[in-house]
Amino acid sequence: NAGVTQTPKFQVLKTGQSMTLQCAQDMNHEYMSWYRQDPGMGLRLIHYSVGAGITDQGEVPNGYNVSRSTTEDFPLRLLSAAPSQTSVYFCASRAIYTGELFFGEGSRLTVL
Amino acid sequence: TQLLEQSPQFLSIQEGENLTVYCNSSSVFSSLQWYRQEPGEGPVLLVTVVTGGEVKKLKRLTFQFGDARKDSSLHITAAQPGDTGLYLCAGRIGTSYDKVIFGPGTSLSVIP
Repeated sequence: NAGVTQTPKFQVLKTGQSMTLQCAQDMNHEYMSWYRQDPGMGLRLIHYSVGAGITDQGEVPNGYNVSRSTTEDFPLRLLSAAPSQTSVYFCASRAIYTGELFFGEGSRLTVL
Repeated sequence: TQLLEQSPQFLSIQEGENLTVYCNSSSVFSSLQWYRQEPGEGPVLLVTVVTGGEVKKLKRLTFQFGDARKDSSLHITAAQPGDTGLYLCAGRIGTSYDKVIFGPGTSLSVIP
């Protein structure tokens, strides 16, 4: 059982480039989310989705876009990368009854 | 503004010692979760506490939720090197799990 899978694990971008971080889960969870983790800041919620076709903003949504066309996939798009977006990004899905978040292994992004 | 604060930020102890880490907020939480994150991996849920004053034990780990549901503690007895990691508390405000707020974490190092 793969759980939550994120790709790529590492990425280096130049300022202004665009890219998509992929996230897929095989637990049939309706809720999925993206967090960024920076030293001393914990995990901050970027965007979340409560089901296919439904997305909403979290604490730090600026500079990021999301869409949810299927239950399994929840990609995060950076349209014009900035150095402030250098971070480790985590995708998570949530079990409906327990509220437990299941995280991927993370994607480390560096923007030069 | 950090809604959840954790202390200490860093903790380095010898194997066999006891320790307590704290999670505090000025907000009342419907429930609070503790996660442990190891280097290069995503956080993994340890426990969820829901009722004010609740105490839960998980082997050598004891979790307590404050009576007013604004704070929580994690006590580890006879720490082992395998306990090394980043301990994150996460609080849910209101009845929805849609926005779960994470604290900045306590980085624990247990030296053999």
